[in-house]
Amino acid sequence: EAGVVQSPRYKIIEKKQPVAFWCNPISGHNTLYWYLQNLGQGPELLIRYENEEAVDDSQLPKDRFSAERLKGVDSTLKIQPAELGDSAVYLCASSLTGAVADTQYFGPGTRLTVL
Amino acid sequence: KQEVTQIPAALSVPEGENLVLNCSFTDSAIYNLQWFRQDPGKGLTSLLLIQSSQREQTSGRLNASLDKSSGRSTLYIAASQPGDSATYLCAVLNYGGSQGNLIFGKGTKLSVKP
Repeated sequence: EAGVVQSPRYKIIEKKQPVAFWCNPISGHNTLYWYLQNLGQGPELLIRYENEEAVDDSQLPKDRFSAERLKGVDSTLKIQPAELGDSAVYLCASSLTGAVADTQYFGPGTRLTVL
Repeated sequence: KQEVTQIPAALSVPEGENLVLNCSFTDSAIYNLQWFRQDPGKGLTSLLLIQSSQREQTSGRLNASLDKSSGRSTLYIAASQPGDSATYLCAVLNYGGSQGNLIFGKGTKLSVKP
């Protein structure tokens, strides 16, 4: 069974440029998560989707970050414009449902470098 | 607000040693606690999950304990191997608030030398 797929794996951009990350969750998983992991830190949740609905986006900086999950499958996370402090790893995870007991499965992440 | 702390931040041991990684959390109202492994350039892999009603979980050479009342968990690795070298993250899931939101520590970077 394929795991969570993310692309690109690495991205280098100049500040003020836009950037987008893509995530394909495990087939059949209704819940999708985007996490931000700064260097030397643990992941922090940005947004959580139940199917196509964003049910928790309280930690998403909405002035420059946006996300969508059309048709409740793939998801895209966008930053526009990117700032130097956005350099980090962006992790996507999925679970079968959003139930507390469900295991989250993580993708390999996208490492963003903003110059 | 839940805070998760992991000690030490980094650990280097010779192959074959038994070792303990520590995790503490400030709010004992947790649903469960998980230990993850993260290899460079890769995502997180769940190693062990302990429900709040449990005291420990074992998988192979790994044993995780949970003392919810004191807000502590330990991950014990027996007979360490170079392949165990990775960053180990502890995460808790709280009751209430946003379901499914894991709160992570900063991790312990383990290096096992041949």
